[in-house]
Amino acid sequence: DAGVTQSPTHLIKTRGQQVTLRCSPKSGHDTVSWYQQALGQGPQFIFQYYEEEERQRGNFPDRFSGHQFPNYSSELNVNALLLGDSALYLCASSHELGKNTGELFFGEGSRLTVL
Amino acid sequence: GQSLEQPSEVTAVEGAIVQINCTYQTSGFYGLSWYQQHDGGAPTFLSYNGLDGLEETGRFSSFLSRSDSYGYLLLQELQMKDSASYFCAVRDRDSNYQLIWGAGTKLIIKP
Repeated sequence: DAGVTQSPTHLIKTRGQQVTLRCSPKSGHDTVSWYQQALGQGPQFIFQYYEEEERQRGNFPDRFSGHQFPNYSSELNVNALLLGDSALYLCASSHELGKNTGELFFGEGSRLTVL
Repeated sequence: GQSLEQPSEVTAVEGAIVQINCTYQTSGFYGLSWYQQHDGGAPTFLSYNGLDGLEETGRFSSFLSRSDSYGYLLLQELQMKDSASYFCAVRDRDSNYQLIWGAGTKLIIKP
């Protein structure tokens, strides 16, 4: 049973560029959440997708956008990259019915470096 | 505002017991989760407390006191592989049940 997979694992961009990160959820999961984790910090919630719609959003600017596809996979797009966007971007999947326990399954993340 | 506090670093000896505390301040507390993250790895779910008391899962236990806005993670029979960062995270009604994370506690285990 494949867990959550993310790509790419590492990437380097320059300020002003755009980036797209991809995530395939764990088999059987229909909900995908994206987090940003700066070095030495806890993950910060970006947004969550369910049934191909953004259901909830954290305190991130509109430069951060996403999409969920019919197969539940998801993309995170960041436009006009800033140096401060350098971080580990984590995708987490869950099943809508399992939301009460708060259990999320995370991918290994995509480490973005903005120069 | 909403905040979680946990120690930044804890050091313990292999085979010993260690407790990682977490205090929180949120407007709509729903439950407390704990995650483990090894360097360069993905956070992995350890436990969840929705009600007061102790939850035990093997060598790991987690405790919650909602009246004290306090919880802890207890790790017994420490092994070198337990060296990792441990995060407490609160599910909050006022944040649409999203997880609000602490900054993490780095657990260093010495032989």
